[in-house]
Amino acid sequence: DAKTTQPPSMDCAEGRAANLPCNHSTISGNEYVYWYRQIHSQGPQYIIHGLKNNETNEMASLIITEDRKSSTLILPHATLRDTAVYYCIVSPAGNQFYFGTGTSLTVIP
Amino acid sequence: SAVISQKPSRDICQRGTSLTIQCQVDSQVTMMFWYRQQPGQSLTLIATANQGSEATYESGFVIDKFPISRPNLTFSTLTVSNMSPEDSSIYLCSVEDRGPGSSYEQYFGPGTRLTVT
Repeated sequence: DAKTTQPPSMDCAEGRAANLPCNHSTISGNEYVYWYRQIHSQGPQYIIHGLKNNETNEMASLIITEDRKSSTLILPHATLRDTAVYYCIVSPAGNQFYFGTGTSLTVIP
Repeated sequence: SAVISQKPSRDICQRGTSLTIQCQVDSQVTMMFWYRQQPGQSLTLIATANQGSEATYESGFVIDKFPISRPNLTFSTLTVSNMSPEDSSIYLCSVEDRGPGSSYEQYFGPGTRLTVT
């Protein structure tokens, strides 16, 4: 079963930062936090993952709280193409993924 | 990152028949996974397929209904047997690929959209 809780939907103005929260209060010490997104029922696209330190790549930043019970995915300058369902998943080293319901992000012009 | 292809991309099948979905990856990978996404729903893990061993099925999925083959490190098939309209879904394969440090990432194929009439 999914071990994460996300808001079902969010809106964000184009050009602004999109901050997507995720709660994972039962995360284990060996579990990573992964973020994926799915556009128009295509295959999910990998965004970023981390264990306990904050991470940044060309797509997004991942902020993990010190107690690791929650995290935030930040898309720094949202575009219309970022409209998608975003999934937060906790898993040890990329093993089986149990998807929750995700957050449907709509970027508004 | 691994590049994954699936065949067919979509199909319409009659109830009672079976469909085999192929998943091909451009590099050798140890673990491959099969997921189902029913209309309007999130993804559900069907099974884990490791080369050289029987697939491991999640609760609610059985080998007779979803037989899986994994003949080598770059290929796997999922068969949806004796189909009913409830099997209408998108079926996706994914592979585990090495990430930074000791972590791994999963990469997904484009999916196979199955409609059963």
